[in-house]
Amino acid sequence: DAGVIQSPRHEVTEMGQEVTLRCKPISGHNSLFWYRQTMMRGLELLIYFNNNVPIDDSGMPEDRFSAKMPNASFSTLKIQPSEPRDSAVYFCASSLELAGGHGELFFGEGSRLTVL
Amino acid sequence: KNEVEQSPQNLTAQEGEFITINCSYSVGISALHWLQQHPGGGIVSLFMLSSGKKKHGRLIATINIQEKHSSLHITASHPRDSAVYICAVRSDTGNQFYFGTGTSLTVIP
Repeated sequence: DAGVIQSPRHEVTEMGQEVTLRCKPISGHNSLFWYRQTMMRGLELLIYFNNNVPIDDSGMPEDRFSAKMPNASFSTLKIQPSEPRDSAVYFCASSLELAGGHGELFFGEGSRLTVL
Repeated sequence: KNEVEQSPQNLTAQEGEFITINCSYSVGISALHWLQQHPGGGIVSLFMLSSGKKKHGRLIATINIQEKHSSLHITASHPRDSAVYICAVRSDTGNQFYFGTGTSLTVIP
């Protein structure tokens, strides 16, 4: 099993540019989570998908952030336009959630974003 | 206000010592996760608990739902256990995660 795959691993961009982060969950998993980690705020849940449908996006900071999951094997997190305060490590995680229960979380390696 | 509080924030131990990390939370939960983050940055899920106790090798996690408290124990600690340990709870609505700030553990040979 390849695990959760994220790309890019590192991205350095300039303020105002569009950033797209990608995630391939573990095959067979039906839930996908995007998290952000910063020194100041620690880990935060941004958005949660179940069966490709966004269930809760209350953690998305503002309209500059958007996430999609067009199919069970791919998700994107987009920031447009990017700002220096978006600099963080963005983690994607997936799990298999069955009726009435939650599953173990499997994390990707993270995408380290630096916005200059 | 932090929904999840961990203690201690930092912990240094000698190899072989028994280690306990504590997590208290203030919200209704459906599950509690213990995560391990190594200096390289990757995150690994150690345990997911909704009641009782789980054991994997030298690691033991317990949860007391009534007291809203969980502990992570490491027996016979080893330098490779050096990492940040993060407690996370999933709300009983199922849609929110709350994270502790982490406990940074250093095990000295």
